[in-house]
Amino acid sequence: AQSVTQLGSHVSVSEGALVLLRCNYSSSVPPYLFWYVQYPNQGLQLLLKYTSAATLVKGINGFEAEFKKSETSFHLTKPSAHMSDAAEYFCAVSVNRGSTLGRLYFGRGTQLTVWP
Amino acid sequence: DTGVSQNPRHKITKRGQNVTFRCDPISEHNRLYWYRQTLGQGPEFLTYFQNEAQLEKSRLLSDRFSAERPKGSFSTLEIQRTEQGDSAMYLCASSFDQRQRDTQYFGPGTRLTVL
Repeated sequence: AQSVTQLGSHVSVSEGALVLLRCNYSSSVPPYLFWYVQYPNQGLQLLLKYTSAATLVKGINGFEAEFKKSETSFHLTKPSAHMSDAAEYFCAVSVNRGSTLGRLYFGRGTQLTVWP
Repeated sequence: DTGVSQNPRHKITKRGQNVTFRCDPISEHNRLYWYRQTLGQGPEFLTYFQNEAQLEKSRLLSDRFSAERPKGSFSTLEIQRTEQGDSAMYLCASSFDQRQRDTQYFGPGTRLTVL
């Protein structure tokens, strides 16, 4: 079975500070990993994805994430937070299982607050 | 590419009524997914279509829920005899199967409130 744990339901940082959002996954087979961002009353927007290529993945808006198999982690980082980064962030996992490929398992989300 | 669209964006209904939501995927995307998101939670998978075939249903999809994708394009999700526990955001996503590494693109969602 697949699952995702996001440590910290709320993270607050000052503008310009490092952003670190934690995600650990559980999967019995090699996973595909995703980070999505959700702004209030909107759908989910893909930030970045890991699909077994490079372990350091760069996404939009200056975000990146590193896949660490030994730690079963896929933490999201951004060197310098901007006010516009305030949103909810979801980590998700899916696996290659033939016809059922693609079903996403989401974490509970982390609300990021950015202080001026 | 106009993105995934969902209608309506908001629906308020009384308990016991039936509601139907529509999802229009990105054109030529052959996979379509429905998820449900309740307050403070991540989205939970409901069901999935490959073209017009419904290939997987979650146990969250009770007998009161039915989804269709009749021509492999748009999809509808119907909830019969709504209950207050059905209040949630219903999200649709679509993707294109390419070497089994498809990425799901989400619509804005339909927020259902059952009074």
